[in-house]
Amino acid sequence: DQQVKQNSPSLSVQEGRISILNCDYTNSMFDYFLWYKKYPAEGPTFLISISSIKDKNEDGRFTVFLNKSAKHLSLHIVPSQPGDSAVYFCAAPSGAGSYQLTFGKGTKLSVIP
Amino acid sequence: DAGVIQSPRHEVTEMGQEVTLRCKPISGHNSLFWYRQTMMRGLELLIYFNNNVPIDDSGMPEDRFSAKMPNASFSTLKIQPSEPRDSAVYFCASRRRTTGNTIYFGEGSWLTVV
Repeated sequence: DQQVKQNSPSLSVQEGRISILNCDYTNSMFDYFLWYKKYPAEGPTFLISISSIKDKNEDGRFTVFLNKSAKHLSLHIVPSQPGDSAVYFCAAPSGAGSYQLTFGKGTKLSVIP
Repeated sequence: DAGVIQSPRHEVTEMGQEVTLRCKPISGHNSLFWYRQTMMRGLELLIYFNNNVPIDDSGMPEDRFSAKMPNASFSTLKIQPSEPRDSAVYFCASRRRTTGNTIYFGEGSWLTVV
């Protein structure tokens, strides 16, 4: 049973426009969320995170929004750049002691020049 | 600072052969994870070590898979015998538990079993 879901396998956006990547979760006990970015032939790298005590966290062009009542979070990239083309994973700490990260299946973002 | 180092980067082997993947975590990190990425299942946790001790291996697919961490700077994931369905990218990741939830991944080992 997937606890973290990314329902859009892919997304194409024009350069300069906003990219919005979505993530839903089922476990109301999740209190922290992370976004990872992955380029081909590389490992995932940490991008941005948010705690459940906040509803927004911003870092440069990247903003993550959290809607706890809807169990939904989104990553906004503004403006999108061709170098942002990658697979984006949403993740949440889970398991006893929250030791592991449970990942969504990822959304492949393509930013078209 | 060096990141998580994995070897080999690519491995092609015949069905039935033993495969050993290696990982050197970031110095000072006390948690180590092995993840597997496939198209169907995405990123799934295979096993987690804390202070060199296996804590949770419930994600290990079957007895053909085994993992060890003999010391704080080295871990192996072994598949014996390998099967075509084991073809995937295997990631090692590490974390310093006291500094939060972020884990740091290696570049992965791409395994193809023919």
